[in-house]
Amino acid sequence: QVQLQESGPGLVKPSETLSLTCTVSGGSISSYYWTWIRQPPGKGLEWIGYIYYSGSANYNPSLKSRVTISVDTSKSQFSLKLSSVTAADTAVYYCAKGGNRFDPWGQGTLVSVSS
Amino acid sequence: QSALTQPASVSGSPGQSITISCTGTSSDVGGYKYVSWYQQHPGKAPKLMIYDVSNRPSGVSNRFSGSKSGNTASLTISGLQAEDEADYYCSSYTSSTTLVFGGGTKLTVL
Repeated sequence: QVQLQESGPGLVKPSETLSLTCTVSGGSISSYYWTWIRQPPGKGLEWIGYIYYSGSANYNPSLKSRVTISVDTSKSQFSLKLSSVTAADTAVYYCAKGGNRFDPWGQGTLVSVSS
Repeated sequence: QSALTQPASVSGSPGQSITISCTGTSSDVGGYKYVSWYQQHPGKAPKLMIYDVSNRPSGVSNRFSGSKSGNTASLTISGLQAEDEADYYCSSYTSSTTLVFGGGTKLTVL
């Protein structure tokens, strides 16, 4: 069965760029949508955006100016970049398979924004 | 885009049934069949429980069911069990080709 694993720095300085990668194993990355979702500590889920394996992407309007999601099918990975981060971007970041329903999810990775 | 509206908390006793509502607009919940529900236990990743309003993924108990009327979707859990205590989130596709989540509902099994 498909498994997803997030990786990247757990601490990012304010105004810098947050970069995360999601590695897909146990199945093909092709022919599917792949999504990033985040959850600030103690709060609810927020959809960040998705990418199709072909490279077309769509983003949350509230984050669109700062977000880029990309895919590397040769490595079975897709990535998230969030620029100009502030403390409000501190959250657990999840990657998930799917575009309008998400299954499965990665275990999540906590990214803190602090100097 | 505004978050879908869910009650902050619901509770029920073992064996009872509970329903969690998820209210949106005609631009999201009311306009599409792409409503999903997720269960999240503390410190864990969310788990898909219902998709496309009323479909259960393989392996999910048939005690979980979903429905929709107008701009409001609902998740019903029957025969409540202690292990059902968790946070529940709905999500919907929107007319802007984006996705939106509900604020989440904490289910307490008394």
